[in-house]
Amino acid sequence: EDQVTQSPEALRLQEGESSSLNCSYTVSGLRGLFWYRQDPGKGPEFLFTLYSAGEEKEKERLKATLTKKESFLHITAPKPEDSATYLCAVQGRFGGSQGNLIFGKGTKLSVKP
Amino acid sequence: NAGVTQTPKFQVLKTGQSMTLQCAQDMNHNSMYWYRQDPGMGLRLIYYSASEGTTDKGEVPNGYNVSRLNKREFSLRLESAAPSQTSVYFCASSEDPSGSTDTQYFGPGTRLTVL
Repeated sequence: EDQVTQSPEALRLQEGESSSLNCSYTVSGLRGLFWYRQDPGKGPEFLFTLYSAGEEKEKERLKATLTKKESFLHITAPKPEDSATYLCAVQGRFGGSQGNLIFGKGTKLSVKP
Repeated sequence: NAGVTQTPKFQVLKTGQSMTLQCAQDMNHNSMYWYRQDPGMGLRLIYYSASEGTTDKGEVPNGYNVSRLNKREFSLRLESAAPSQTSVYFCASSEDPSGSTDTQYFGPGTRLTVL
C-alpha cells in the first residue's frame, strides 16, 4: 500500500534558523513526489515535483531533495512569511489508481521574528 | 487565468439536506479531482475524472456523487448530508495523469458544516 509520512508534525523556528522537513514514502514505482504549501484557509499551492533519486530543486529559500525512500524540504534562513503547512504527496506508477496522489498529513511550520 | 475556482466558499447544512459543490478550471486540463481535508488527516481523494465523460471512485466515495459536466466543470453532490461530511472540500485539476509529468493544481476550497 502506498503511504506517505511527514515529520515533524509541527516545527517552530526563529527567523534565520535553517532546518529541514522530512517526507518518508513507500510506493510501488514512483512517478513523482510533490511538495505543496498551504496557508490557513486556502488551497494547496504547488512548489516542486521530483522524479528520481538524487534530483534537487530550489525556489527562493526552499530546496527539495529526493532519495529512494524519502524527500527533504530544506528551508534556509526562513522568514515569517514562510510560515505555512507543507504537504508532501507521491504519485505511483502502478496499480488501479495511477495518477492519483497520496498525501501526508503535513508539517506546520511557524517562523517567529 | 483564474485557475481552479470553487463555489460556494462556505456552506452550512442540516442533516439530510442535499447540495452540490461546483468546480471549474480554465487551464484546459483533462483531469479533475475532488478531495476532502479533515483535521489530523491528509487530503483524501473522493472522486476523480481522468477525462471528459469518465469518473472513478477514489479512497472515500461513500455518500457522494459527481458529474463531469464538460471539460471545464466537475461538480460534487451530497444527496443526504451527514455530520461526518463536515470538512473542507478541494477541487483540483491536472493536464494528463497518463503523461510523464502531471501536477495537480488546487482551488481555494469549500468549507462545509453539517449540523
